[in-house]
Amino acid sequence: GENVEQHPSTLSVQEGDSAVIKCTYSDSASNYFPWYKQELGKRPQLIIDIRSNVGEKKDQRIAVTLNKTAKHFSLHITETQPEDSAVYFCAASRSSTLTFGKGTMLLVSP
Amino acid sequence: NAGVTQTPKFQVLKTGQSMTLQCAQDMNHNSMYWYRQDPGMGLRLIYYSASEGTTDKGEVPNGYNVSRLNKREFSLRLESAAPSQTSVYFCASSEGGGGPQTQYFGPGTRLLVL
Repeated sequence: GENVEQHPSTLSVQEGDSAVIKCTYSDSASNYFPWYKQELGKRPQLIIDIRSNVGEKKDQRIAVTLNKTAKHFSLHITETQPEDSAVYFCAASRSSTLTFGKGTMLLVSP
Repeated sequence: NAGVTQTPKFQVLKTGQSMTLQCAQDMNHNSMYWYRQDPGMGLRLIYYSASEGTTDKGEVPNGYNVSRLNKREFSLRLESAAPSQTSVYFCASSEGGGGPQTQYFGPGTRLLVL
């Protein structure tokens, strides 16, 4: 089955800096890669996703890049703000189920 | 639309007790899922239902059973709770119909087994 590795497990940045979270996957047939944000005590919520026919996707301060050859994808957050502090999960899928990484706790200090 | 709803929000059980976690969605989605979330472990799939009338095991199905009651509702049952089942349980749904799609999560149920 699919295996998703996510790094780093924790990331601390200053407000205004950029943050990058990286994930690798094992199944070359995976073709859908969503990113979820989970605030403390809340449900995971989709923030951006990318499919394998696209190399990069942007939505305001958030971008995701995909390298199919290397089987890795990354989340980029620019101009970080304190409200970006949360746990971020990547996932990969080629079917109706998702395999999640273990998460990255992002802390943005004012 | 309420989206995905779960009951109860919080539950305390004694070892050996049974309980059913309820999940409902009002988005007319075909697929529904049950996950557990433990510190440092991410979200792990317990069971899923790709469409009404079907259920399949996920990564960690032992100790659980599910029922897809109808298109809207998908329940998770613990027949004999164990401390190892202390966790936060999330239900999710997606449009389904083949291929990977966005999953929408419920608010979660926090379960403590003593």
